[in-house]
Order: sequence, then C-alpha cells, then structure tokens
Amino acid sequence: KNEVEQSPQNLTAQEGEFITINCSYSVGISALHWLQQHPGGGIVSLFMLSSGKKKHGRLIATINIQEKHSSLHITASHPRDSAVYICAVMSGNQFYFGTGTSLTVIP
Amino acid sequence: DAGITQSPRHKVTETGTPVTLRCHQTENHRYMYWYRQDPGHGLRLIHYSYGVKDTDKGEVSDGYSVSRSKTEDFLLTLESATSSQTSVYFCAISDPDRGGYGYTFGSGTRLTVV
Repeated sequence: KNEVEQSPQNLTAQEGEFITINCSYSVGISALHWLQQHPGGGIVSLFMLSSGKKKHGRLIATINIQEKHSSLHITASHPRDSAVYICAVMSGNQFYFGTGTSLTVIP
Repeated sequence: DAGITQSPRHKVTETGTPVTLRCHQTENHRYMYWYRQDPGHGLRLIHYSYGVKDTDKGEVSDGYSVSRSKTEDFLLTLESATSSQTSVYFCAISDPDRGGYGYTFGSGTRLTVV
C-alpha cells in the first residue's frame, strides 16, 4: 500500500530550467512536508504545508487539499539543487513518505 | 540539526549481536520516531513514541525494540542483529501539540551487520 505517491522518480534538468515534482496522497492529513536529502547526507524539511502555497527563495510549494495533491517547484535550477526530494504527510500520529524524486541538475 | 543528535553515526556489528542506537533531543518535543531508509523503499517507520514510556509499532518493527525513559532520549535496540537490518537509521522529532507540526530529522546512523 502506498499512501503517498511521487512523480517523477528520477529527473534530470539543465541548469536554469524550471522543475516540478508532484505528490499525491490517499489519506486524510493534518500537514504535508517537502524534505530534501543530499547524497550521503541528512534530511532537511524544506516546507510544511496545510493549505495554499509557500515560497522560500527559488522554491515554491503548493497544496490542493480537495485534490490531495502537492507540487514542489524549483525556479532557475542550479547544480546544488541536485538531491532527493521526499514528500511526507502527517496523518494522525504518523508520517507517511513517498519514495522520493532524485533530481540531477546539469551545469 | 542542533536540537537532535544520533549516536553512533556509523557502526559495524556482527550477526547475532545486540545493538542500541540513541536519539537525543533538546527541543522537548513529545513525539519521537525511528525510521530506516533503504534503496527502493524510502523511509519506513520502525517505532515511534508519543511520550515518556509511551511507544507504538510502525510498519517494520519486527526485530526491533525501543525505550523512552526520558523525554529527551529514544533508544532503538536490535535484539539480535541480522544482515537484513543493514540500513541507515534516522530519528525524527515533532510536536503537533504546539500547533506547528514541525518535523526535524537527525543526521542518521549507518549500520552495517556483517
């Protein structure tokens, strides 16, 4: 069972491109997180959303509660954005995770 | 993150030995979680705690036990390590009671069972 589905699984982009990663979920949630994990590195929470849209620098996250869908956008992508991006939803006392989107940005 | 530390960062152990991983937080968060991360599976919940001495199983709890005798410490024990438990283990904390649903991860423990 996959409560959280992400697409695409892998993504390669040229530096400067606009990137979108999608997340769909099937459970009722109180919050949704977008996480970033660099190779061999720890996991950092980029955004926490319960409605609407948030922006931080070149990153934008949106959520549509009715459609149970969220997107993470990266504008003007840069090689340092290369990482795995993970969607996580909080439902009840637990978090459910997507399997991640591996992003590679080529100079 | 400064508010949550895991120890050890790396460990190699032999099959059949017990292993304990420690997660320590200074944020006074009520919820603590142990996850394992394996290629192709993403993060999977092992156990979580919603208070001192209050714990519950996650989806991959077999072969693991936990204890939380203090708010700040959450211990994960592999009772008799097996090669299938070779993984990267992450601890996380959150406190929904504070209304923020914030979520912070530790840096991970890379465990190899030989």
